[in-house]
Amino acid sequence: AQKVTQAQTEISVVEKEDVTLDCVYETRDTTYYLFWYKQPPSGELVFLIRRNSFDEQNEISGRYSWNFQKSTSSFNFTITASQVVDSAVYFCALSEAWNTDKLIFGTGTRLQVFP
Amino acid sequence: NAGVTQTPKFQVLKTGQSMTLQCAQDMNHEYMSWYRQDPGMGLRLIHYSVGAGITDQGEVPNGYNVSRSTTEDFPLRLLSAAPSQTSVYFCASSQSSGGASYNEQFFGPGTRLTVL
Repeated sequence: AQKVTQAQTEISVVEKEDVTLDCVYETRDTTYYLFWYKQPPSGELVFLIRRNSFDEQNEISGRYSWNFQKSTSSFNFTITASQVVDSAVYFCALSEAWNTDKLIFGTGTRLQVFP
Repeated sequence: NAGVTQTPKFQVLKTGQSMTLQCAQDMNHEYMSWYRQDPGMGLRLIHYSVGAGITDQGEVPNGYNVSRSTTEDFPLRLLSAAPSQTSVYFCASSQSSGGASYNEQFFGPGTRLTVL
């Protein structure tokens, strides 16, 4: 069975601190996709990144970076120099490569960035 | 393109009432799905459809019905609302299901439902 675990329920940081959100997944598939979504206080889901299981390269997009490690089944998300606007709930999700429409979500991590 | 639209944005029901949550997309997507979001539970798949006339159950289908008569619309019906169905409901769509290539899912803005 597929499962996504986000052990951190809530994280609080002060602006400009770096913060890492953890995501550990379980799947028997050899091919799969991993995702991160952001849900700001307004409630919509904002797509941040996807990664397929064959691509273990880390990715950086501005202040955001992602570390994918198949050996530990982890897909962690780091925000560098956090800002108040980063305050949101962040979800990690997993899908089979052959059924990319059925997402298995983690329970989310609420990040609060204080000025 | 309006993308994925959901109506209503908010709804309050009494136990036993019925209602339909509307979802529409104008991207000609084959695949549509409904998720519910509960505190501490993340999002869970309720029902999905791989095309007009085809629907299937997700992880938490009990208490919900769906149908897909057109490509554009995928309504979610609560026949007899229960307090346990108090949640935020998200509709999503994507180009197609399956295959080796990734098809990004587009989410609607959500419907917040309270059942008293």
